Amino acid sequence: AQRVTQPEKLLSVFKGAPVELKCNYSYSGSPELFWYVQYSRQRLQLLLRHISRESIKGFTADLNKGETSFHLKKPFAQEEDSAMYYCALSGYNTDKLIFGTGTRLQVFP
Amino acid sequence: DVKVTQSSRYLVKRTGEKVFLECVQDMDHENMFWYRQDPGLGLRLIYFSYDVKMKEKGDIPEGYSVSREKKERFSLILESASTNQTSMYLCASSRGGGPQHFGDGTRLSIL
Repeated sequence: AQRVTQPEKLLSVFKGAPVELKCNYSYSGSPELFWYVQYSRQRLQLLLRHISRESIKGFTADLNKGETSFHLKKPFAQEEDSAMYYCALSGYNTDKLIFGTGTRLQVFP
Repeated sequence: DVKVTQSSRYLVKRTGEKVFLECVQDMDHENMFWYRQDPGLGLRLIYFSYDVKMKEKGDIPEGYSVSREKKERFSLILESASTNQTSMYLCASSRGGGPQHFGDGTRLSIL
């Protein structure tokens, strides 16, 4: 079955600390993986996708097919990173997304 | 910049009413989607459409229907609203193979 798992509902760190939001997936094939972010009172928006191999707002994510993971990382968290983060996947030849349950990141000053 | 507009930010309806949620996008996207967002459950796909008058069921279509008569507009219909349909509803659109762009959401309360 296709599934995205985000094991942490809440992740709390202090400003300047490293951050890793975990995402594991189950998919029989080659999926495309995404991270979406929702800041307080804002709409859900794309943060990054694995095929772009970009670093957005200091965040990176590497697709590990062996471990079926797509963890989101940032070396030094900022207060403005506080938000809800969703990992999502789409399968071959489809534009549908399967979302994880989300992780709320809190960055304390 | 892509604009996805949902007609209402907040809506309160009564059990048994027929409820319409409207979504309009301005980027000529082929695909449009309706999700509901619930704490602890993430986003779950209700229905999506990849062309005018075309629709496919998502993961939780029961109690919902959709309409897409024009490319830019995708409507979600609650045929007979029930309290368990109280939720945040998100609309999204995308070009084929592209990322999804979301609206602000409609917080729907069924009393």
